[in-house]
Amino acid sequence: QLAESGGGLVKAGGSLRLSCVASGDSVNDYIFNWVRQAPGKGLEWVAYISTYSTYTIYADSVKGRFTVSKHNSKNSLYLEMNSLRAEDTGIYYCARDTPRGAAFDVWGQGTMVTVSS
Amino acid sequence: SYVLTQPPSLSVAPGETARITCGGDNVGSKNVHWYQHKSGQAPLLVIYYDSDRPSGIPERFSGSNSENTATLTITRVEAGDEADYYCQVWDRTTEHRVFGGGTKLTVL
Repeated sequence: QLAESGGGLVKAGGSLRLSCVASGDSVNDYIFNWVRQAPGKGLEWVAYISTYSTYTIYADSVKGRFTVSKHNSKNSLYLEMNSLRAEDTGIYYCARDTPRGAAFDVWGQGTMVTVSS
Repeated sequence: SYVLTQPPSLSVAPGETARITCGGDNVGSKNVHWYQHKSGQAPLLVIYYDSDRPSGIPERFSGSNSENTATLTITRVEAGDEADYYCQVWDRTTEHRVFGGGTKLTVL
């Protein structure tokens, strides 16, 4: 139901835009998040966007560099990543909140981002 | 920021019971969610709101949460349960979602 794309190899300081297409329900009806996993490390929550994009929250590690957004007509979620660092390397997942909120019940398969230093 | 602490690893024999802990300051006052993550796959929600099971998750998976420790219990462990398991909460103070460091469950 969620499919990410846009990952790839980028140099430190560069930018990348990840996309997540949702099939089925409208992206505006749900809260969405981006979660990442660095190689050999655990899951790390990155960003949150509320229903109708009224509110966004970011992890301290990406605040000011990453921007999350939605496009209703394309039923998609985006993560714009700027000033990339080597420590941003990892698999990026989009994940949907449950209707009750705060837990992630639908995940994409992830897209790999590699930042070379 | 809020911190969740999990043991890095746990090994159990098939048929036994696995108990994976998640420690945090007064975590009993928060709602804890648990994910199973197998290599190359998307994470899977197995328990949410401390003890609720999503549709399709076997009854062998259960959760509890009290005071400073939340626990994911897997009874009658099978080889297919081998995976990394993560606890997660919503920190009301920062509004951030927080994951524990993860526990690698090995089925002997």
